[in-house]
Parts: sequence; C-alpha cells; structure tokens
Amino acid sequence: QKEVEQDPGPLSVPEGAIVSLNCTYSNSAFQYFMWYRQYSRKGPELLMYTYSSGNKEDGRFTAQVDKSSKYISLFIRDSQPSDSATYLCAMSWSGAGSYQLTFGKGTKLSVIP
Amino acid sequence: DGGITQSPKYLFRKEGQNVTLSCEQNLNHDAMYWYRQDPGQGLRLIYYSQIVNDFQKGDIAEGYSVSREKKESFPLTVTSAQKNPTAFYLCASSMGGPGLQFFGPGTRLTVL
Repeated sequence: QKEVEQDPGPLSVPEGAIVSLNCTYSNSAFQYFMWYRQYSRKGPELLMYTYSSGNKEDGRFTAQVDKSSKYISLFIRDSQPSDSATYLCAMSWSGAGSYQLTFGKGTKLSVIP
Repeated sequence: DGGITQSPKYLFRKEGQNVTLSCEQNLNHDAMYWYRQDPGQGLRLIYYSQIVNDFQKGDIAEGYSVSREKKESFPLTVTSAQKNPTAFYLCASSMGGPGLQFFGPGTRLTVL
C-alpha cells in the first residue's frame, strides 16, 4: 500500500496570510504530484500538478516538490476567504498498465476576513 | 460545456435496497473512476475502467458493481451487500498519461 500523510488541520489563518500545506510520502514509485481543492459538498478541483522536484507557480499558488525528502508543499500567498476549503494532495503511480492516484486525507483551511 | 455530471445530488435508500448512481462525461476521456469519501478518511477507490467493457476492482469493491457499456458512462450500483453505504460518492475521469483525474460534483447517499 502506497501511503500519503497529510495533516488534517483544521488550519485557520487571517486574510492576507501565507498558507503552507504539506504532504509526505514514503514510496519513491510516485511520479506525479497534484493538489486538489474541495469546497464543502463539492467534487475536488485540480489546482496544480508537477512532475519534477522544484517549484511551479500559478498566480497566488506555488507547488513545491522535494523528491529526495519525499515531501511536497502548496503555498498560497495573499490568502482570501474564498480559499477556505479542504486541500487534498494526490500522487500518481503506474501499475497494471494504468496510472492510479493515492490521496492524502486532506487539510481543512479557513481564511478569516 | 465539457465536464462530468453525476446524478442525483442527494439519494436516500432504505436498507436492503440496491441503488444506482449515474456518472456521465463528455470530455472524451478513456478512463473513469469511482471513489467513496468519508469524513477523515480521504478518497478510497471503488472501481475503475480504462476502456469500454472492461473494469477493475479498487481497494473497497465489496458490495458495489459497475458497468462500462459506453465510453461516456460509468454507473455505480450500491448493493444491499454493502454494509455501510452512507457516504459521498465521487466519479472521476482521466485521459490516462500521468493520471490527472477530473471529478464530478458527487452524490451524497444516505441509507435510512
């Protein structure tokens, strides 16, 4: 079983703060790394994905992967109340001819106005 | 608009009844997936299908069944054999490749 560890929170920050969300994993077979955002009672929405170690930026969001430490992060700059959601990390691995995803349990974030 | 639709949004079932959840996609994706989400447990894979007329069990397939007769459709039946069916069910699809999956809005099933 390939496992992913993610702190469930909840995490509460004031509006405008920088948010850091993290996941660790133990299996080097994971190849692609993703972050999903899930609002209450909605389906997860793909935010960002990356393959290699390093940073990938998209607006206020930065995804960071450190394969040597088996550690990934999502940073949110200038956080807004609309960022309040549960953030799920996910990692893909190839098995039986297809790619599968293993998800973290999600971190619930609240951004307070 | 391209996307994944799930219906109904809310579903109530009496114990002992089978119920079928609908999932349709118009993204022309080959692969489709069903997950179950429970509070504090993340997403768990029930079944997945890479091509029409073929599907595989995921981690928690017991008490569930699926079919894939059309590329666009992947219905999930929750049978009376599923001991604890109350949950949020999510359908996803993927073009394959690195495994990027796109999710539908979900169906909340409650067993009365």
